[in-house]
Amino acid sequence: QTVVTQEPSVTVSPGGTVTLTCASSTGAVTSDYYPNWFQQKRGQAPRPLIFSTSSRHSLTPARFSGSLVGGKAALTLSGVQPEDEADYYCLLYYGDCWVFGGGTKLTVL
Amino acid sequence: EVQLVESGGGLVQPGGSLRLSCTASGLNITKNFINWVRQAPGKGLEWVSVVHSVGTTYYADSVKGRFTISRDNSKNTLFLEMNNVRREDTAVYYCARETVAAGKRWFGPWGQGTLVTVSS
Repeated sequence: QTVVTQEPSVTVSPGGTVTLTCASSTGAVTSDYYPNWFQQKRGQAPRPLIFSTSSRHSLTPARFSGSLVGGKAALTLSGVQPEDEADYYCLLYYGDCWVFGGGTKLTVL
Repeated sequence: EVQLVESGGGLVQPGGSLRLSCTASGLNITKNFINWVRQAPGKGLEWVSVVHSVGTTYYADSVKGRFTISRDNSKNTLFLEMNNVRREDTAVYYCARETVAAGKRWFGPWGQGTLVTVSS
């Protein structure tokens, strides 16, 4: 069974920079996994942020960026705002299925 | 505006059946990939299933053999038939379009979700 691993929780100060990562139990994450990132706030549907590693959706603020770092997919938030406090999920493609990471709870404090 | 709306959630007993609907507007479901994703209360997102534009379907191991995707093209509606449900199937179920283009894959829009509760 494939497992996608994210940090369970991360804390960042307002205005700071933070990187969330997404690892696959099958090995290094590459662009072939089409990494997608979503933001979810309580009671809301997931909001797409980044797709195919580093492409921003039209409404995604420029402070969100995606990349591959050290064999993992990564989501970097620069100049963090209080409204960025949320759960963040990565999603990886395995050919005949997608697998979500367990999510990272981002606290802005 | 492209929009997906789920319906059909509710209370179902363990071992029972339920059919969820995902009605699309602004897009043709026969020309798109549509996924089902669920979220148990207080838990993370879980990918459930996808139907491709040509009708090919794939399922997560957790629902394989119990859940089935089908389409009513005349109503531009997708269904998730849930059979032999278990307590662990309790979740909000979302449908979401997956776009495959220019060597990229992305999700959106998402519906607002419909809650399924499995309990006796």
